[in-house]
Parts: sequence; C-alpha cells; structure tokens
Amino acid sequence: NAGVTQTPKFQVLKTGQSMTLQCAQDMNHEYMSWYRQDPGMGLRLIHYSVGAGITDQGEVPNGYNVSRSTTEDFPLRLLSAAPSQTSVYFCASSPLMTRGPSGYGYTFGSGTRLTVV
Amino acid sequence: GENVEQHPSTLSVQEGDSAVIKCTYSDSASNYFPWYKQELGKRPQLIIDIRSNVGEKKDQRIAVTLNKTAKHFSLHITETQPEDSAVYFCACSIYNFNKFYFGSGTKLNVKP
Repeated sequence: NAGVTQTPKFQVLKTGQSMTLQCAQDMNHEYMSWYRQDPGMGLRLIHYSVGAGITDQGEVPNGYNVSRSTTEDFPLRLLSAAPSQTSVYFCASSPLMTRGPSGYGYTFGSGTRLTVV
Repeated sequence: GENVEQHPSTLSVQEGDSAVIKCTYSDSASNYFPWYKQELGKRPQLIIDIRSNVGEKKDQRIAVTLNKTAKHFSLHITETQPEDSAVYFCACSIYNFNKFYFGSGTKLNVKP
C-alpha cells in the first residue's frame, strides 16, 4: 500500500512550457484533489474530483487542467507555465464523507516543488 | 466559498508549556474540522479531527475544541516537546463535501 504517489518531486520549467504532474493512489479513495502551497498562504485548492469522470474547480484553477479517467489517477496539467505558478504542489485523497461518520482526513502525497523561470 | 482564518501565524513556547492555535470559519454549514501537522520539507499529516456534533476531542497530548455558535475551533497541545515544532494547519469542510478550506498555518517553535 503506497498511499498517494506524486511525480516528479522537483521540476524546473521555462515560461510557456507545459507539463503534467502525476498523482496516483492505491486506497480506492473516491475523492482526489490538488493544492498549491505558497509561503504564508496555506494550502489553496486548484481542482478536485469526487470520482472517475467528475472534476470541478477549486479556489485557484486558472492555468491548470485536470482529468480523472480512473479512480487511481488524477494528473494536473499546466498549460503554459508562468512564474506565478512557482510553488509546491500537493495531491491529496480521501474517502467520501458520505460513507459514514469518521475518517475523512486527507492523505497527502509527498509534493512536487515546481520552479518556473 | 468558506473563509478560514488562523492565529497566530507564529508561536514560540518553552518545552513543557501548552500551545493553543485558533481558527475561525465563515460558513455555518461547515461540519468537519481536521488539523494537520507539516514538518519542514514534508507533507501535511492529519493529527486530529472533529465533527460538528462534538464539542471536544482529545488524543493524548492534543485536543481540539469547537464552538459552533461562535464559529471557531482550536487546537490545544499540552506538555509540548521539541518534536512538536512544525507548521500546523486547520481546515474545514462544508456539510458532506470533501472539499477542504485551509487556514494559512501556524509555525510552532518549541524551545528546549
């Protein structure tokens, strides 16, 4: 049971380049999400998904796309990287809260540190 | 959407003292309140959570209290130890949705 696996751990992009951050979980969690973490701003939600084929926008979706073709995978695509997207990105998953009364805390991946120059 | 405010942004205590971190939220529909600990360079990890039908929950040296009327909840750490030094985040979730809104974090420093 690997939990939530993110790749790559580090990435440097040039402005205008595109790339995909990978996220996979093996816990059969319905809910998956992407956050970015910037100093002094906590964790901000980019996109999330409540199941395969279902995605929605979070607080800061501009410049990012997601898809959810399987329960396990939830990749995040940067369409045209900008310096403002320099950040640490975390993928997180959890079972749906509608399952019952407890156990909904996120399991986070180890993060991707992205620098856009 | 939900607005979560967390205070203080930094907190320094002596080993053995207690530490309290407070969060307020704006949406009365929020019903689930987890707390996360993030050590330097690591991923956030869940340390305790509480649902809105409970006023207090305790797990060894940590406890969380919730005041639904005032829309605030707090993390209490007793008998602090140097390994408690980390950034702590509060979060809340609207009723039956997994979408969490996070506070901006509190950097706790426990001095030996």
